[in-house]
Amino acid sequence: GQQVMQIPQYQHVQEGEDFTTYCNSSTTLSNIQWYKQRPGGHPVFLIQLVKSGEVKKQKRLTFQFGEAKKNSSLHITATQTTDVGTYFCAGPYSGGYQKVTFGIGTKLQVIP
Amino acid sequence: DAGVTQSPTHLIKTRGQQVTLRCSPKSGHDTVSWYQQALGQGPQFIFQYYEEEERQRGNFPDRFSGHQFPNYSSELNVNALLLGDSALYLCASSLALAGSTDTQYFGPGTRLTVL
Repeated sequence: GQQVMQIPQYQHVQEGEDFTTYCNSSTTLSNIQWYKQRPGGHPVFLIQLVKSGEVKKQKRLTFQFGEAKKNSSLHITATQTTDVGTYFCAGPYSGGYQKVTFGIGTKLQVIP
Repeated sequence: DAGVTQSPTHLIKTRGQQVTLRCSPKSGHDTVSWYQQALGQGPQFIFQYYEEEERQRGNFPDRFSGHQFPNYSSELNVNALLLGDSALYLCASSLALAGSTDTQYFGPGTRLTVL
C-alpha cells in the first residue's frame, strides 16, 4: 500500500539554526499537506502543495514539492522556541476522496 | 465561528468495554474523518463520513464503527476494547469538493486509555 516516509524522526537544533525535514512517498501524490502538532496538542494544518516543483513560503517556513510529486520538504530558517513540535507530511490515497496517509513525523526540539 | 469540537477530552475504560466518542465539525463543513494517533506515531486514518455514509475506510477492524448525523456531527464507536486501542482519537472536518483534497481541521482529540 501507499507509504509516506519522513526523515529525520528527531532533530535537536540550537535556537537560530536552520531545520529541514524531508518527506518521501512510495507513489506519486496529487498533493501533499504539512501539519504541525505541538506537544499535547492536535495537528494544525500549515499548507497544501499541489503543483510539481511548487515552492511556498510562510514567514520563516519554506515548503517544496518535488518535480516528480513524490517528495517534499519543509525548511525553517533561524528556528525559534515557538517552532517546537512535530511536523507531519500527509498525502492523499490515489483515487481516494480525502483519505490521507500521514508520515511518522519529525519531532523538532529547539535548544534556547 | 466554532472550530472542531470533540468530547470527552479524556476517557478511561477497561478491556472488553465499549466506547463512544463524539465530534462536531467546523461550521460549514460536511465531511468528518476519524484518526487514531498512538504515542509517537502519526495519525492513522480510521474512516470518513460524508452525507451520513462511510465513504472511505482505513485498515481497522469492524470493532471500529461510526455514524454521521444530519447535522454533520459524528460518533466513533469502538467495541470489545483492547489495550492496544489506547490512543489519541482525532476528528477532522472538511468540506467535500469534487476532485480535490480540502484542508482538514482537526479537533483537540479524545485521549482514550484502556486498562
